[in-house]
Amino acid sequence: QSVLTQPPSVSGAPGQRVTISCTGSSSNIGAGYDGHWYQQLPGAAPRLLIYGNNNRPSGVSDRFSGSQSGASTSLAITGLQAEDEAVYYCQSYDSALSGSVFGGGTKLSVL
Amino acid sequence: QVQLQQWGAGLLKPSETLSLTCEVSGGSFIGYYWTWVRQPPGKGLEWIGEILRSGGTNYNPSLKSRVTMSVDTSSNKFSLRLTSVTAADTAVYYCARGQVDIVTEYFQYWGQGTLVTVSS
Repeated sequence: QSVLTQPPSVSGAPGQRVTISCTGSSSNIGAGYDGHWYQQLPGAAPRLLIYGNNNRPSGVSDRFSGSQSGASTSLAITGLQAEDEAVYYCQSYDSALSGSVFGGGTKLSVL
Repeated sequence: QVQLQQWGAGLLKPSETLSLTCEVSGGSFIGYYWTWVRQPPGKGLEWIGEILRSGGTNYNPSLKSRVTMSVDTSSNKFSLRLTSVTAADTAVYYCARGQVDIVTEYFQYWGQGTLVTVSS
């Protein structure tokens, strides 16, 4: 069981907007530690999408955005495209672990 | 462009030692947390630990008794050793560059991954 909790799956039609939640606790996101998001395509390494809750690295589409509230962080994807089908992971720091923690991953299906 | 290239043995027997190396090119070796993450087949990501250029380390408590990380600053490489492996250690192992955003580390650059299978 992961320290950060994500829904196992979400889905949406092309062009729609979906959000993926990531719920932590008082030792990680709830303590004010930032959440980060990664996209993983089959057979590939994770790719950083969002860091510091809502910052995009160069080259990442502005269709991806992040937000944080309380002990949760969320990833929003607008204008869904078939290429967005992937598994998405959140990540943060946990003071009890004294290290990084990941969510269990959410598989996004584009219908 | 920062690149991480990793290599190591892909098939081990139970009780053997896993050994992987990651070489960094195209960027500074200073000021980052050189990290290992693993992913069992069909499962999520697990942070194994990190090492600084200075040699300082921080390991996942669940693996700490079996993990050793080292760094070779002369060749911009860092390595992972995991002793007494079992089938539960079968996973794709990734090296990654950790950098801090105010207080929280994130991973922008990753190696290509190495599948390590533990089987008798």
